[in-house]
Formats: sequence, C-alpha cells, structure tokens
Amino acid sequence: KQEVTQIPAALSVPEGENLVLNCSFTDSAIYNLQWFRQDPGKGLTSLLLIQSSQREQTSGRLNASLDKSSGRSTLYIAASQPGDSATYLCAVIGGSNYQLIWGAGTKLIIKP
Amino acid sequence: KAGVTQTPRYLIKTRGQQVTLSCSPISGHRSVSWYQQTPGQGLQFLFEYFSETQRNKGNFPGRFSGRQFSNSRSEMNVSTLELGDSALYLCASSLDVSSAGELFFGEGSRLTVL
Repeated sequence: KQEVTQIPAALSVPEGENLVLNCSFTDSAIYNLQWFRQDPGKGLTSLLLIQSSQREQTSGRLNASLDKSSGRSTLYIAASQPGDSATYLCAVIGGSNYQLIWGAGTKLIIKP
Repeated sequence: KAGVTQTPRYLIKTRGQQVTLSCSPISGHRSVSWYQQTPGQGLQFLFEYFSETQRNKGNFPGRFSGRQFSNSRSEMNVSTLELGDSALYLCASSLDVSSAGELFFGEGSRLTVL
C-alpha cells in the first residue's frame, strides 16, 4: 500500500532564504508525482508535475526533483517571499489503482 | 479560460440528510476526480469519472456516489449524512485521465454536518 510522507510538517523561515521541502513514498512504481500549494480555505494549485521518466521540473523559482529508486522528491524554493506562505502537498499516482495518494503537507511560513 | 467551478461553496446539513455537490470542469477536460479533505485524515481520493464512466473508486462507503454527464460536469452525492462527513470536498479536472497529466482544482465545497 502506497504511503506518502512529508517532512517537516511545518517550517518557518525569513524572507529571502532558499528552502527545501521533502516528500517520500513507499512504492517506487509511480506514474507521476505532483506538488501543489493550498492557501487557507482554498482549493489546490498545481505547481509542478514530474512524470515517472523525468528527474526534475522547473517553474520560475521552483524546482522539483524525483528519485524513484529512493522513493523521494524534493521541492526547492529559491529566494522565498511572504507570498510563498501556504501549505505544500505532494501526491503520487502509481501502482495498480491509479489513485492519487497524498502526503499530509508542509505548512510554510515566510517571515517578512 | 474559466477554471473548475464547484457549487455550492458552503452548506450546512443535519445528520441523516443527503447532499449533492456539483463540479463543472475546465472546458475540454474529460476527467473529473473528487477528494475529501479533513483535518484528521488529510486528502483522500473518492472517485474519478472519465467520459461518463467511473474509472476508479477510493475506499469510501456506498453512501458516497457520483456521476458524470455528457458535458463532463460531475455531481457527487452523500446519503444518510454522518457527523464525520463534515469536510472540504474538492474536485479536480484534467484533460485526460488523472494519472496522465496535470490536475486543476476547484475552490471546494465545505460541508458541515450538525
């Protein structure tokens, strides 16, 4: 059974710092991995989608990597801004059931 | 281009009642998937519809059901509501099946069961 873990559960850093969020999964047979952000009381916004054949994806200040063999993905945020404050979730689709399995998220606070 | 629209945004029901939630996907998207989000369980997959057919179903009781119409709009229904059904219900649309590409989420329908 696929399990997705995100560490840390919460993170608070000063504005301008570079930071890394971690996501690990137990079954390496995945189709893709996605990173989302969720603002309080809102839906989810897709940030990056990494297909199983890819190693990384970049969008602006965000870079996500995928290492299937070790069951890990990282989301790197460069030059953090207060507007980056949100909960970041990773999710994987894989195995035989094609279901999206979610991590519990990392709540990120960027202090001005 | 309009995003994913969910209605209603907020609703309050009492135990034993039933509720229907609606999701209109992005124009041209054929897949709609539903998720339940609670503080205790996080995000959990409910089901996915593609071209009016249920493609996949999560581990929820039969009180949770859904359907998709020919215009790709989807509804989910929860019958005999329980207190534990209080949650944010999110739907997502994608161009193809959800396993293939990017998902676009609506703002959610927040259900409170009293």
